[in-house]
Amino acid sequence: DAGVTQSPTHLIKTRGQHVTLRCSPISGHKSVSWYQQVLGQGPQFIFQYYEKEERGRGNFPDRFSARQFPNYSSELNVNALLLGDSALYLCASSLAGQGWETQYFGPGTRLLVL
Amino acid sequence: AQSVTQPDIHITVSEGASLELRCNYSYGATPYLFWYVQSPGQGLQLLLKYFSGDTLVQGIKGFEAEFKRSQSSFNLRKPSVHWSDAAEYFCAVNTGNQFYFGTGTSLTVIP
Repeated sequence: DAGVTQSPTHLIKTRGQHVTLRCSPISGHKSVSWYQQVLGQGPQFIFQYYEKEERGRGNFPDRFSARQFPNYSSELNVNALLLGDSALYLCASSLAGQGWETQYFGPGTRLLVL
Repeated sequence: AQSVTQPDIHITVSEGASLELRCNYSYGATPYLFWYVQSPGQGLQLLLKYFSGDTLVQGIKGFEAEFKRSQSSFNLRKPSVHWSDAAEYFCAVNTGNQFYFGTGTSLTVIP
């Protein structure tokens, strides 16, 4: 079975632009979470979705938004990009988003904001 | 506020030596605890997790971790390190709807 897939793998944007990142979960997984990993740091939780509903939100500004589709894939949108948004964006999926479940991570999308 | 602390930013060990990576968490209830490993260019891979039961947890690649409630710790151990264990290790806490990662410990293995 395929693991979590993310697209694109790399992206370069300029300040003020908008970006959309995409994630496809493992087949059968209904929960998707998004993380931001700045170089040299641990991943920071952005959002969790389950059955198309937002279940959790981290401490990120409203410029960050996400949604989950009926096929459980997900998009992360970031508006008005700042230099500080440059990071590796990770998507993870799990069966039902319960706390004890293993989250399976994708390879990430590396975003560079110039 | 919930948090995860990994006090050691970088550790160097000789191949064959034992390893212990420290993790402390701050959370009011019993958390769900995880250790992940991230190799260069690779995604995060789960090593092991604890959510109830036996406080000594066995994971993949010969790793184990012990949950100590009194010390709010979940330290990762391996009796004999292999060169392929060189990577970044992250401890994480899941409170039910949020996942908190530590800042990571970078492991270097010398021959």
